[in-house]
Amino acid sequence: SQQGEEDPQALSIQEGENATMNCSYKTSINNLQWYRQNSGRGLVHLILIRSNEREKHSGRLRVTLDTSKKSSSLLITASRAADTASYFCATAAGNKLTFGGGTRVLVKP
Amino acid sequence: EAGVAQSPRYKIIEKRQSVAFWCNPISGHATLYWYQQILGQGPKLLIQFQNNGVVDDSQLPKDRFSAERLKGVDSTLKIQPAKLEDSAVYLCASSLSGVEANVLTFGAGSRLTVL
Repeated sequence: SQQGEEDPQALSIQEGENATMNCSYKTSINNLQWYRQNSGRGLVHLILIRSNEREKHSGRLRVTLDTSKKSSSLLITASRAADTASYFCATAAGNKLTFGGGTRVLVKP
Repeated sequence: EAGVAQSPRYKIIEKRQSVAFWCNPISGHATLYWYQQILGQGPKLLIQFQNNGVVDDSQLPKDRFSAERLKGVDSTLKIQPAKLEDSAVYLCASSLSGVEANVLTFGAGSRLTVL
């Protein structure tokens, strides 16, 4: 079973625009992570936010976490064609990491 | 630093045949994971090893899937006999123990097609 559910399932934007995707989950977590997957490749870790943190930045990425609503968002600012990929949230409980279904992002040049 | 190595990258078999996938994690990573990713879905954990012991195999279909991690390093995942619904990408990942235990480094995956 998948803990996290991403919304939207797919997103199409123009280069330079911002992309926002959301993740909702059901149980208590230690941390929440976001991964990117380019077509035909493995997943790459982007950013981790701990349960006691509310916001985190890394380059053009901004992640928020609201544990009261059991939700997180990932914002990619000033998107580039190279950001075209699937993005997955993953929730960590204990030593187990459970992935959501992903958001497919298309950035058009 | 070398990444997580997986082989083969692609495999096509007929149903009821067997297949084996191999994974070599990042040196020093104590935890190794096998995930199954069906097209259009997120990865689903099949089995997790800590060194050479199994931590979680609750979603591994044990009647047909088996996995081992000899000497706490390399791992193999076997499917026998394969079914059509086993068509997927099999992803191996590894992580350090301790506070960074949950940050995973993935291999490129092994794509299985069952005809």
